[in-house]
Amino acid sequence: KAGVTQTPRYLIKTRGQQVTLSCSPISGHRSVSWYQQTPGQGLQFLFEYFSETQRNKGNFPGRFSGRQFSNSRSEMNVSTLELGDSALYLCASMRRLAETQYFGPGTRLLVL
Amino acid sequence: TQLLEQSPQFLSIQEGENLTVYCNSSSVFSSLQWYRQEPGEGPVLLVTVVTGGEVKKLKRLTFQFGDARKDSSLHITAAQPGDTGLYLCAGGRGSEKLVFGKGTKLTVNP
Repeated sequence: KAGVTQTPRYLIKTRGQQVTLSCSPISGHRSVSWYQQTPGQGLQFLFEYFSETQRNKGNFPGRFSGRQFSNSRSEMNVSTLELGDSALYLCASMRRLAETQYFGPGTRLLVL
Repeated sequence: TQLLEQSPQFLSIQEGENLTVYCNSSSVFSSLQWYRQEPGEGPVLLVTVVTGGEVKKLKRLTFQFGDARKDSSLHITAAQPGDTGLYLCAGGRGSEKLVFGKGTKLTVNP
């Protein structure tokens, strides 16, 4: 069974640009969560989607948004990029809520 | 507010040594998970503990959940270079989002 896949794996952008990251969950998994990981703050929760509905949202500005499609694939978008948005963005999927999360390899975003 | 505190933040040891890392909170969790993350990869789940006082063993790794379900420890016996990585603990409360600690970065030198 294929794991969680994230594209792209690496991305370099400049301040003010926007970026869209993609996550394909494990087949049959309906929940997708997004996290931002930085050395200083660790893993911080961005948002969680289940059956195309946002269930939870972390404490991030409105520049961070996401969505989930009917096939459970998810995208997150960051607009007006700032230097501090440089991080590893991780996606995790679950078959059902409160079950084990499986993480993808992440997208490493560098904002110059 | 960091609800889960992990210590130590960094640990560098020689192959064959034993070590313990800690995950502490002032809050009660219904479950606690430990992950290992290697460079360039996402975290991989090692174990989930759900009962106060529970001890689980995974080869050379021993996980313990505190009696009050507020803290946990991970003990590694005879560490090997392959154990190198970032160890993360995460607390869960039902269907609420997981809360992660900042991790312990372990380096095992050959």
